[in-house]
Parts: sequence; C-alpha cells; structure tokens
Amino acid sequence: DQQVKQNSPSLSVQEGRISILNCDYTNSMFDYFLWYKKYPAEGPTFLISISSIKDKNEDGRFTVFLNKSAKHLSLHIVPSQPGDSAVYFCAASGRDSNYQLIWGAGTKLIIKP
Amino acid sequence: GAGVSQSPRYKVAKRGQDVALRCDPISGHVSLFWYQQALGQGPEFLTYFQNEAQLDKSGLPSDRFFAERPEGSVSTLKIQRTQQEDSAVYLCASSLAGRGVISDTQYFGPGTRLTVL
Repeated sequence: DQQVKQNSPSLSVQEGRISILNCDYTNSMFDYFLWYKKYPAEGPTFLISISSIKDKNEDGRFTVFLNKSAKHLSLHIVPSQPGDSAVYFCAASGRDSNYQLIWGAGTKLIIKP
Repeated sequence: GAGVSQSPRYKVAKRGQDVALRCDPISGHVSLFWYQQALGQGPEFLTYFQNEAQLDKSGLPSDRFFAERPEGSVSTLKIQRTQQEDSAVYLCASSLAGRGVISDTQYFGPGTRLTVL
C-alpha cells in the first residue's frame, strides 16, 4: 500500500510558466515532507521541505504548500526554467515510520523552450 | 567538498553470484542510509547506520542482503546469491546528525545500477 503517491508520471510546462507538482499521502502521522530533484545518472538532491506545523515554505523560485486536512502537498516552481527539467520526488517521514523517508514514485518535469 | 560517492557505478552479475557495493559518505556524517530504487519507482529504505551501529535493517528484503559500516565511515552492501528481482539502482545517502533529527538533510550518491542476468 503506497503511503505517498505522485499520480502524474510526467508533466510538460512552457518555459517561464508555473510548474505545479502534486503529492498525496495517506499516513496522518507524517510530520515532515520533502521534495527531491533527480537528474539522470545522479542521485536525488534535496530541494525544499516543510514541517507539518506550517502550510507554506518558500525558497526562491520554489514554494511548497501543505494541506493537512486533504493530506496533500504541492511544489510550485515559478518561473520554470530549462534546468528544472528533472524527476521530482516527494517524500515524507514521521515518528511512527521511525523517521524513515517514504517516497513517491516521482514526476518527470519537462520544461519546453 | 566531496559528496557521497558509490562504486561501482554499474554492475552486471549472473544469477547466483555475490556482489558488494561500496559507499563513501561525506566525511563526518553520522548517519548512513541504503535505498533500493526499482525502475519507475521512488527509493525504498533498506537499512540505516548511526556511526558503526546498524540501528535499523527493517527494509532489507531477505537474509541474502547484508550491510556493514565497521569504522563508522565507508559502508558496504553485500547481496549474496543474486536473483533477477535484485536488479535495481542501489542508492546510499549520508546525513550529518543521528536519526531523530527530523530536519537533517540526506545527501545522496549517484547510485550503483545492478543488473542480474
């Protein structure tokens, strides 16, 4: 049973526009959420995180929104740039998972020029 | 500074062979994690070390999988009698603090792609 779901395997966005990547989770005990970015043949790289006590965290062009009641988080990238083309993974952790990171399957973001 | 490195980057094994995958974490990092990533999926936790102590091995899929970190730095993941279902990318990550520091960032190596024929 997947506890963290990224339902869109891929997303194509025009350069300069907003990219919105979505993630849903089922475990209400998760209290920390992260987004990682992965280029081909490289390991995932940490992008941004949010604690469950917040509903928004912003870092430059990247903003993560958390809706606890809906068990949903999203990553907004504004404006999208060609270098943003990568696979984006959502991950979650919490005390009951012994702080293991539980990962979604990833969304491949393609930025079109 | 140097990041997490893994070797070999690619490994082809015949079914039944033993393999050893190496991880060099960032110097001074207390925590070390191993993950298995199947094609088209996210990484799945295998095992966790805090220094030399293996505190969590709940994700190891069978007793054919064994990991060690004898001096609290370099770690080796060993898979005995490899099977085709072991084909995956094996990722290693390290972080500065011990587990329980929820905001501690994990830094990943490039992974070892294992193909079992």
